[in-house]
Amino acid sequence: GQNIDQPTEMTATEGAIVQINCTYQTSGFNGLFWYQQHAGEAPTFLSYNVLDGLEEKGRFSSFLSRSKGYSYLLLKELQMKDSASYLCAPMDSNYQLIWGAGTKLIIKP
Amino acid sequence: DAMVIQNPRYQVTQFGKPVTLSCSQTLNHNVMYWYQQKSSQAPKLLFHYYDKDFNNEADTPDNFQSRRPNTSFCFLDIRSPGLGDAAMYLCATSRGTGGPGELFFGEGSRLTVL
Repeated sequence: GQNIDQPTEMTATEGAIVQINCTYQTSGFNGLFWYQQHAGEAPTFLSYNVLDGLEEKGRFSSFLSRSKGYSYLLLKELQMKDSASYLCAPMDSNYQLIWGAGTKLIIKP
Repeated sequence: DAMVIQNPRYQVTQFGKPVTLSCSQTLNHNVMYWYQQKSSQAPKLLFHYYDKDFNNEADTPDNFQSRRPNTSFCFLDIRSPGLGDAAMYLCATSRGTGGPGELFFGEGSRLTVL
């Protein structure tokens, strides 16, 4: 079956660094997306990894290990506006996204 | 400028009263999706269209129907909403050609069933 596993909730301090882990099992693999979703709003695209390694984009970085079925999203210099849910979504062999329930990130001053 | 537009943003209906949600896109993308998302849960794919080719997920209830009259528009019809259908309904698009591409989401339509 297809399965995504990420922590339900994490708490971090403003200005700090946080890493959100995601493990996955899919039927085939065509890359992995990370989306940010603020409460009551639609998801917005953060990153896409298809090859192993780290992709850096400003304060956000995303890492992929295909052999381990593992990805993480790294957020640096946390700001209060980063309080949101972060959804890990690998793409299967049919090019369909398999969504995790998301990790709710709470930022404290 | 918004590229995927959903209407209405908020919809209140009574139990059993049909509802139609609309989605339009200015991206000229081939693929359009309808997702249902309940609080603290993953988005659940209901349908997707690749051009006019309709794909229904196996576990999408018959109560949900969809139409895509042209490239730009897609509709979600809920024939007899129940209390369990209260959710955020998300429309998304993607290029669909040249390999995987990101999904562009509309702002969502939040459905309340009384």
